Amino acid sequence: QVQLQESGPGLVKPSQTLSLTCTVSGGSISSGDFYWSWIRQPPGKGLEWIGYIFHSGTTSYNPSLKSRVTISVDTSKNQFSLRVRSVAAADTAVYYCGRNLDIVTTIDWGQGTLVTVSS
Amino acid sequence: QSVLTQPPSASGTPGQSVTISCSGSRSNIGSNTVNWYQQLPGTAPKLLIYSNDQRPSGVPDRFSGSKSGTSASLAISGLQSEDEADYSCAAWDDRLNVVFGGGTKLTVL
Repeated sequence: QVQLQESGPGLVKPSQTLSLTCTVSGGSISSGDFYWSWIRQPPGKGLEWIGYIFHSGTTSYNPSLKSRVTISVDTSKNQFSLRVRSVAAADTAVYYCGRNLDIVTTIDWGQGTLVTVSS
Repeated sequence: QSVLTQPPSASGTPGQSVTISCSGSRSNIGSNTVNWYQQLPGTAPKLLIYSNDQRPSGVPDRFSGSKSGTSASLAISGLQSEDEADYSCAAWDDRLNVVFGGGTKLTVL
C-alpha cells in the first residue's frame, strides 16, 4: 500500500516561494511506470492540476502555472517536490501530491496540506 | 471558472438513483477519457471511475460512468448516506492540460 505525505510551511508571504515535499512510503518512486503529481484546491473551489514528474525527471506543467512552477524528484529519498515562485493570495489552497497511472488518473493521494499566502 | 461544467449541487433520498453530469468540449471530453473522483468532507479525493466507465477495485457497482460526445455522466444507484460527498470529473485537454469540473455536492436527504 503506497502512502504519500505532504510537508512544508503552512504560511507563505506574497511574492515569496512556496515549497512543498511529498514523501512516498510503501513503494519506490523509481519503480513502475507511475507519474507523480501535484494538484491543488483553493478553499471552496474545484481541483486544479499543477503538473507531474516521472522518475526519469520528465515533467509537464499546467500552462497557466508553467512560468512559476518547478517539480523535482529525489529518488534517493523517495521524495518529490513542488516550488511555486512569486506567490499571491490566489495561490492559497490545499495542495495534494499523488501517484498516477497516467497523467489524469490519480490512484493514490496524500492527505493534503493547506498553504495560506498572506503577509 | 472550471473548464468542465458540473451542476453545483444534486440530491436524493436513500435508495434513489441520482445522475451527475459533466460537460466539456471537443478538446477534452470529446477526444479523451473521463475520470470521476469522490471527495468526502475534509478528506482527499478518491478515484471512483476511470476511462469513462471503469471502476477501481473496491468501488461498489452502484457507481457507474458513461460518456457521449462532449459530455459524461456519473450515476449512483441505491443511494446511501455515506455517498454524501463532492464529485468531480476530470479529463485530459489536448491543449496540454488536465482539466477538472468545479465539483457537485451531493446531499442525501
